[in-house]
This record gives sequence, C-alpha cells and structure tokens, in this order.
Amino acid sequence: GEDVEQSLFLSVREGDSSVINCTYTDSSSTYLYWYKQEPGAGLQLLTYIFSNMDMKQDQRLTVLLNKKDKHLSLRIADTQTGDSAIYFCADLGRSYNQGGKLIFGQGTELSVKP
Amino acid sequence: EPEVTQTPSHQVTQMGQEVILRCVPISNHLYFYWYRQILGQKVEFLVSFYNNEISEKSEIFDDQFSVERPDGSNFTLKIRSTKLEDSAMYFCASKGDTGNYGYTFGSGTRLTVV
Repeated sequence: GEDVEQSLFLSVREGDSSVINCTYTDSSSTYLYWYKQEPGAGLQLLTYIFSNMDMKQDQRLTVLLNKKDKHLSLRIADTQTGDSAIYFCADLGRSYNQGGKLIFGQGTELSVKP
Repeated sequence: EPEVTQTPSHQVTQMGQEVILRCVPISNHLYFYWYRQILGQKVEFLVSFYNNEISEKSEIFDDQFSVERPDGSNFTLKIRSTKLEDSAMYFCASKGDTGNYGYTFGSGTRLTVV
C-alpha cells in the first residue's frame, strides 16, 4: 500500500536553514503536503504542492519535489526557535472519491538551538 | 482565519463506555474527516464524509465507530464501546469543494481509555 517515510529528528542552530526530507511510494500521487504540529496543538497546514510542480516557495518555506525519486523536501530559511515543532509530510493517497484521504509520514521533530 | 473546532480537548473514559467526539468544521466546507494518532505512531485516516454519508472508511473504522452530521454544523465521531487500544489523539478535518485541496485540521481530542 501507499507509504510515506520521514527521518525522526533534526537539530539545527538558530539562523541556519533546515531541510526536512520525505519519501513516498505512490507513483500516482497528485498533491503532497507539509503540516506543522506544535506541542499540544493540532496540525497546521504549512503548504502543499501539486505533483506537476517541482518547486514552491512561500516566504521562508521552499518545497522541492522530485517526482522521479518520489522525494519531497521542506526547506526553512533562517530557522527560528519558534520553528521548533514536529513536521509531517502527507500524500493525497489514492481514493475512489473526490474527497480524498491523506497518508502521513511519522513526523520529523525539528529542534532549533539558540 | 477560519478554524476547525474540536471538543473536548481531553476526555477520559472507562473501557466499555460510549464516547462522542465533537467537531465544528469550517462553515463552507463540504468534506469532513476523522483521523487518529496513537502515541508514537503515524496519523491514520479513519473516515471521510460527504453529502451526509460516508465516502470512504479505513479498516480501523469498524462497527464500533460511527459518524454523524446532526445539525448542519457539527460533525461527530461516536465510539460505541471503547477499548484500551482506542486511546489516541483524534483529529477532525474539513476541506472545501473539489477544486480546493487544502485540508484544515482541528486541534484534536486526546481520548484516554482506562
């Protein structure tokens, strides 16, 4: 079945760039997502990318998609301590209805050190 | 910014009891979802709901689970007879029309079955 994998931890220094990586198995994937979860909070949608794009930029966030390798990354420029959170990659999985369903990775815990 | 609201934030229940988790999706959204995250595991799809009926459900969503949109604003998940393994964070999500691919999640309800 469809699967999404992420590394579990990433630690960076404040001011550096962070790159969070994700791989997925669904060759028919249409949309891929990045969500952020702060402690005790819900899943905040950061951005999503359509599979016919290879890059999307939104302020400090850059998403890169390599569809051939089924690899998605999220780059956070000038990482701040407030960026410390768990980041989830998700794939809009195959669904037989237009509502769809998301297949999540296990989340990458980003720790930003001052 | 519109939000998906979930209540309660935390519920403790005895094994075998029925629980109802409540959600108020974004008002003009058409597709509604429940996901769950068992501690230390991935966020998993449970069910999607559209046009007052279930669109798709996962293997997890067995006869113990049911969903309802009783009044046009609330969206509920009922677990008829809770088991210890139902302890998890339950997330409600909603999405707009078929051209909109942004899934908005609530803050979650942490269900603890004792």
